[in-house]
Parts: sequence; C-alpha cells; structure tokens
Amino acid sequence: EDQVTQSPEALRLQEGESSSLNCSYTVSGLRGLFWYRQDPGKGPEFLFTLYSAGEEKEKERLKATLTKKESFLHITAPKPEDSATYLCAVQRRGSNYKLTFGKGTLLTVNP
Amino acid sequence: DSGVTQTPKHLITATGQRVTLRCSPRSGDLSVYWYQQSLDQGLQFLIHYYNGEERAKGNILERFSAQQFPDLHSELNLSSLELGDSALYFCASSVGNSQETQYFGPGTRLLVL
Repeated sequence: EDQVTQSPEALRLQEGESSSLNCSYTVSGLRGLFWYRQDPGKGPEFLFTLYSAGEEKEKERLKATLTKKESFLHITAPKPEDSATYLCAVQRRGSNYKLTFGKGTLLTVNP
Repeated sequence: DSGVTQTPKHLITATGQRVTLRCSPRSGDLSVYWYQQSLDQGLQFLIHYYNGEERAKGNILERFSAQQFPDLHSELNLSSLELGDSALYFCASSVGNSQETQYFGPGTRLLVL
C-alpha cells in the first residue's frame, strides 16, 4: 500500500527565516509526486508536480525537489501569507489515478 | 479559484439521513474525483469517474455512491449518515484519464448531529 509521511507536523518560522518541509513516500512505481497548499476551510491549491528523481521546480519563494524516497519543499525568506498547510501526495503508475496524501505540515510564519 | 465548483458549502443533518453533494468540474475536464478529509485520517480518495464511467474506487463505504452525468457534473450521495461521516468532502477534476494534475474545489463541510 502506498504511504506518505510528512514532517514536521507543524513548523513555526519568523518572517525571512528559510526552512524545508519533508515528504517521505513508499509507492510501487511512482507516476508523480504532487505538492498542494491548503488554507483553513478551503480546498487544496496545486503547487507542483515532480515526476522523476533529480527534478526541481520553483515558484516564487517555493522550490520542490525529488529523490527516489522523498521530496522537499524549500521555503526561502517566507512571508506571513505563506502560512498554510502544505500537503504532499503521490500517484502510482497503473490504471488508478487516485492521489495518496500525507497528513500535511502546518506552517506558520510570524511577522 | 480552481474553476471547480461544489454545492452546498455547508450541510448540517441528522444521523440516519441522506444527503447529496454536487460538483461541477473545470470547463473541459472529463475526470472527477471525490475525496473525504477528516481531522484524524487526512485526505482519503473515495471514487473516480471519467466521462460518465466509474474508473476506480477507494475506501468508499457501501452507504456512499456517486455518479457522473452527461454534462459531466457529479453527485456524491451519502445515506444512513453516522456521526463519523462528518468531514469535508472535496471533488477534484482533471483533463483526461491519466496523470494530469487534479484541481480541487472549495469543498462541502458536512456535519452530522
């Protein structure tokens, strides 16, 4: 069974203090790894898709990287508006296109 | 705004009742996925429809059913509701039937009293 573990569960940063979120996964045949951002009471908002080890993608202050066992979401000089829960999900190769999600990392950025 | 719409936003009902949640996918998307999000379980896949046909099922209870209509909107029916069914229910859509990104709607918050 596919498994996704995110750490830490919660992270509190000062504005401008860079850090990384971790997503460890176990899946037999990775089709893609997805990062989403979720604000309280809202639907997950798509950030990135990574398909193969070594791949990196960037968007503003966020950079996602992928290895064969884990993915990192690096946040550079975060701002208070980056506060949210960040979700990682994997999609397995095959005919079922479901996403298996981790429980997320709650990021709080203080001004 | 992802372009995926869900109604209603909130639903309060009693145990034993039946409710219907509605989802309209993004324009042009043929796939609809339903997920349940609870505090202890996180986001869990329920079911996937592609162009009107059921394609995959997750840990969906027998009391739950879904369908996708010719205009591609989808409905999730929850019956014989229990307290434990209280959760956020999200639908997501994607263009086709492969690895494309899934875009999520704003969700329906269901409270069973």
